[in-house]
Order: sequence, then structure tokens, then C-alpha cells
Amino acid sequence: AAGVIQSPRHLIKEKRETATLKCYPIPRHDTVYWYQQGPGQDPQFLISFYEKMQSDKGSIPDRFSAQQFSDYHSELNMSSLELGDSALYFCASSFVTGYTFGSGTRLTVV
Amino acid sequence: SQQGEEDPQALSIQEGENATMNCSYKTSINNLQWYRQNSGRGLVHLILIRSNEREKHSGRLRVTLDTSKKSSSLLITASRAADTASYFCATDEGSGAQKLVFGQGTRLTINP
Repeated sequence: AAGVIQSPRHLIKEKRETATLKCYPIPRHDTVYWYQQGPGQDPQFLISFYEKMQSDKGSIPDRFSAQQFSDYHSELNMSSLELGDSALYFCASSFVTGYTFGSGTRLTVV
Repeated sequence: SQQGEEDPQALSIQEGENATMNCSYKTSINNLQWYRQNSGRGLVHLILIRSNEREKHSGRLRVTLDTSKKSSSLLITASRAADTASYFCATDEGSGAQKLVFGQGTRLTINP
């Protein structure tokens, strides 16, 4: 069965650069979530989209933005990267209830 | 402090023993889920228990939920070295699709 696809798997960026993470949800899932997990930390909710509209917002810095496109894939854009942005970024999708997480994108800011 | 706090933060046991991890939360929930994460890898869904359920089994896993105490436990029986991972509980506060609030996780080490 198709899972949630995230790309890239790994990303290395320098401070002050911009990064774009992509998420392709399971077909027919109408909600996409983004989470950030710092080293040794629990995943923290960033933002979610339902039917291409932002549905909830968590502790997402103003330097970050996200959107969901007409094909339901979502992109997380991060600008002016800081060392503290180094983390594992997870995307999840759901339909009604039941989450499926992607394998994550590991972002390293140097 | 966070919703979904876990106890203990780290647990080390011998292979074959049972491992119990606990989770507490603060608000009313729709359901509670347990996830497993191998070091730096993805989150694997283990089991979901709804707020109107008290106990649920899946293979070697047993989850309990006490909504009066706002707590849950995950029991792994007959542990194996391959069970070594971090285990997180996550709560869903509302109805329908909602964000998850994760606990800090328990790092479980199974010694052969």
C-alpha cells in the first residue's frame, strides 16, 4: 500500500539558507500535518492543512511557511535557517481518523 | 509542562522480561496512541486506544487507559533485543482528524 512520501530524506544547508521539504500524502487523505523533532526531543506539531486550507497552527516560527497544493501534496518552506532548525521533520496524513507518518526529512544546518 | 508526559524516561531490562511504560496527559482526549521510533528513524504506529476503551491487546503489546487518572500504560511482554527503541504516547484532543500531542518518550533498551 502507498505510504506517506517525504523528500528529500536528508538535507544539509548552511545558516541563513532556505530549505523546502515536500510531503506526498496517502491518496484520498485530506489532511496533512507537519511535525518537528529535535535531537532527543519528542515530535512537536508545526502546522496542518485540511482540503488545502490551513487548519491548525502550532509552534511554527515565522521564518517557516507551508502550503498544500491542488494535488494534496504539501511543502514546508524554511528561510533564514538557524543551527537550531536542525531536526527531523515528519509529515503525516489522515482521513477522518488514523494517522500515517512519513519516514521524515533529516535537516542539518551547518 | 507537556501533554503526554512519559515515565520512565529510560528503561533497561534483560531480554525476555516485560517492559512497562507509562504516560500521563492533561486534557480530555478522543484517543491515545503509542508509537515506536528506532534511533533517528520514522514513527511507527503501534496501537490506538479510544477514550471509551480500557484495555487493548496487539500481539505482545498491551495498552491500558484510565481516563479518570488521565494515564495510559504500554506493556511489552517477553521483550526482545529488537524491541530496543524509543516509545512515545500521543493524544488526540478532539473529534475527527486532529494534531497529535506527543509525550517525551521512553528510551527502552533490551539487553541480550
